Amino acid sequence: GAVVSQHPSWVICKSGTSVKIECRSLDFQATTMFWYRQFPKQSLMLMATSNEGSKATYEQGVEKDKFLINHASLTLSTLTVTSAHPEDSSFYICSAHPPSLVHEQYFGPGTRLTVT
Amino acid sequence: AQSVAQPEDQVNVAEGNPLTVKCTYSVSGNPYLFWYVQYPNRGLQFLLKYITGDNLVKGSYGFEAEFNKSQTSFHLKKPSALVSDSALYFCAVRDIGDSSYKLIFGSGTRLLVRP
Repeated sequence: GAVVSQHPSWVICKSGTSVKIECRSLDFQATTMFWYRQFPKQSLMLMATSNEGSKATYEQGVEKDKFLINHASLTLSTLTVTSAHPEDSSFYICSAHPPSLVHEQYFGPGTRLTVT
Repeated sequence: AQSVAQPEDQVNVAEGNPLTVKCTYSVSGNPYLFWYVQYPNRGLQFLLKYITGDNLVKGSYGFEAEFNKSQTSFHLKKPSALVSDSALYFCAVRDIGDSSYKLIFGSGTRLLVRP
């Protein structure tokens, strides 16, 4: 099946610093990837849709200047949390679908971000 | 607007007994429906989907779900629960008319299967 990876799996950073999270589709090309945020014991909240070669589409209420998304290639999307604060601590998950399986999203293993 | 409701925060069942995890949805058009499972500190794993055709959908690990259009439901079921089924289950919906492929997730239901 299709595989999506994320790196790093966990990261601890200090307030005010920036953190980059990578999402890769390992065995397929993805023109679109999705970034979600999950708080403890809660559901996934869609943050943005990452589009290869164009600007990301952000959901209402998500600060685009704080959560920078770059989809530079058909297998890689990055989410950069800029000037991180403790309230940005969360579990970030990306997903993508192979072109031939438009109805199946494959999810990365997630990245646990802790801002101290 | 699309939405998904999972009315139970937690479902408890004894191993070997049947289990049901409930899901209802709301979309403006026709739905694509999905179930995912999440183990601790892991991403989501795809279980099954309803796109079209037979209302009873069979998926991974012996799970199945029935699409009921009149009740706008897509409950997840398994005839005989295993302790290893204990996890967090998410129902998700996409409107057929939505070309963005965005999924809207329910709040999740924690399934606890006791030995």
